[in-house]
Amino acid sequence: DVKVTQSSRYLVKRTGEKVFLECVQDMDHENMFWYRQDPGLGLRLIYFSYDVKMKEKGDIPEGYSVSREKKERFSLILESASTNQTSMYLCASSLYRENTEAFFGQGTRLTVV
Amino acid sequence: DQQVKQNSPSLSVQEGRISILNCDYTNSMFDYFLWYKKYPAEGPTFLISISSIKDKNEDGRFTVFLNKSAKHLSLHIVPSQPGDSAVYFCAASARTSYDKVIFGPGTSLSVIP
Repeated sequence: DVKVTQSSRYLVKRTGEKVFLECVQDMDHENMFWYRQDPGLGLRLIYFSYDVKMKEKGDIPEGYSVSREKKERFSLILESASTNQTSMYLCASSLYRENTEAFFGQGTRLTVV
Repeated sequence: DQQVKQNSPSLSVQEGRISILNCDYTNSMFDYFLWYKKYPAEGPTFLISISSIKDKNEDGRFTVFLNKSAKHLSLHIVPSQPGDSAVYFCAASARTSYDKVIFGPGTSLSVIP
């Protein structure tokens, strides 16, 4: 079974803090993704990576950055957390670049106060 | 402006009956469609997909129908079971940008025993 593990289920951070969300997958997948889920908006793509040290912006990259130093690990960084970044963050991985079937982690509920 | 729409935020169905979840899209470049299911406190899991070269794909109790001319797809669950109660996300991608899978806002299905 593919396993995508996010380091935290719940996080509470203060405005202005630098926040790291970590994601690890164990299936040697090429592609990794970060989404955020908000009510009524579905899942929106923040960043994705199709290879180590490669990254591409998704639809809402502002205020975020990512790091992929190893194939199995993809980190999302909030440079200076703001209250509008309070959300559910979901990491996913897929075998093919086409992302025909993505496997998701359990999600991290981030609250910025 | 949402490219993938799920106009019913919620749906209730009796156990044993058919559940029909609908999805509309606006981008005519979309040629691959996916459905994901999400339980509370878990990440979404892939359910079924369909390519634009088909108009129907079936997997056990789940069937997805695609009407390209109407830019509409639907997920049928027959028979519905209480364990099917979850949020269902419709998603779409285009051959030119498979990395960007666009998700709808989701429909919450409740199957009543």
